[in-house]
Order: sequence, then structure tokens, then C-alpha cells
Amino acid sequence: DIQMTQSPSSVSASAGDRVTITCRASQDINDWLAWYQQKPGKGPKLMIFAVSRLQQGVPSRFSGSGSGTDFTLTISSLQPEDFATYFCQQAHSFPLTFGGGTKVEIK
Amino acid sequence: QVQLQESGPGLVKPSETLSVNCTVSGGTIRSYYWSWFRQPPGKGLEYIGYVYHSGSTNYNPSLQSRVSISIDTSRTQFSLNVRAVTAADTAVYYCARQKFSYGYLLDYWGQGALVTVSS
Repeated sequence: DIQMTQSPSSVSASAGDRVTITCRASQDINDWLAWYQQKPGKGPKLMIFAVSRLQQGVPSRFSGSGSGTDFTLTISSLQPEDFATYFCQQAHSFPLTFGGGTKVEIK
Repeated sequence: QVQLQESGPGLVKPSETLSVNCTVSGGTIRSYYWSWFRQPPGKGLEYIGYVYHSGSTNYNPSLQSRVSISIDTSRTQFSLNVRAVTAADTAVYYCARQKFSYGYLLDYWGQGALVTVSS
């Protein structure tokens, strides 16, 4: 299985802050990396796929970068609705695997 | 707008079979893969498996001996069974639509159904 290591596990930030989350794959995943946002009591929401492509309707303050095994999700200016948990997912091969999650909390 | 809704028993006794259904509305069940995931309390997401509209399946090797996924296209519903459950199977179970586009992506999810394994 491809292991996905995500950091940090939590981050405290204020509205307007820039937040960066990293994700590392245990092997090259051909840039097939996705990011999901999850709010309490809800299923995950696809935000970014193929490292940097925004899903329809996702605000442009979200961006993704990286290649090979190292990837980054950046929220350029945190908004109140962005406080949530974010997961990376390798979309390369089965079994699909996820990072452990990063909880973005209000400072 | 595609919507998925899980329905499950809430509580299952150890050694019994856990069954969760997912009803799809607002879109076709054909031409997509339909997946199951679970999330134990306070932990990350685990892939369980998928079923294609044709009935073909793929399972996580870690669970393959105990799980089965089926689909009923006439009812736009697919189902998960997990046999011989233990407390370790306590989790929120999610269904999701899976497509292949720049890899295997999950573009629609249900809200999840909490299933607790306890006597």
C-alpha cells in the first residue's frame, strides 16, 4: 500500500492567515494527488485533484503544488468557512489511501 | 445535483454481519464506480472497496476476507456487508461516487452512518 504522511496534524490560525499543509507519499504517485475538506458531521468534499486543479466551485484562495512524492495545500487567506479538517489522498492505485488529516482550528 | 445517503443499523453485536446501504439520487448509477470508506472515531479514512454498475468489485486486501459490496441498479442503491465484526469495525461508514479522471477521485460523498459494534 502507498502510505500518505500529512503534517501538521493540527494548526491554529486566524481569519486572513495563510495556511500550508504538506503531504508526502511513500512512492511516486504520478501527480495523482487529491485534497479533501471535511466538516463535522459531513462527508469529505473534493477540493483539488491532480495536485493543483481546483474542483468546480472551489474558491481560488485554495491552491496545490508539488510533484513526485511531496505535495502542499495552501489556503492564501483563511475564511471562517475554511475551518475544517483537510485530507490528502493518493489517486494512483488501489487500495486508495489517505493522509491522517490536518485540523485547521480558530486561534 | 448528485446526492448519496447511507442507511445502517446503528448498533451491531460482535460476530454478526454489519450491513449498510447507500441510495443514489439526482444522477445515473451507471458509468461510475461506487465506493465505501470508513472512519473510526478520531482516526483517518480507510478505503473498503468499490462496485461498478456492472457488478464487478474491488476490495481492500486488509478487509477482503470479510466484506462484500453489491449494487441494485433498478433501485439506484448499493450495499456493504462486513462479516464477523468486532469492536475494531466501529466507525462512520461513508459511501462515495468514484470516477477515473487524473486518477481515482471521489467527487460525491454521503454524510456517513455511524455503526457501533457492541454487545
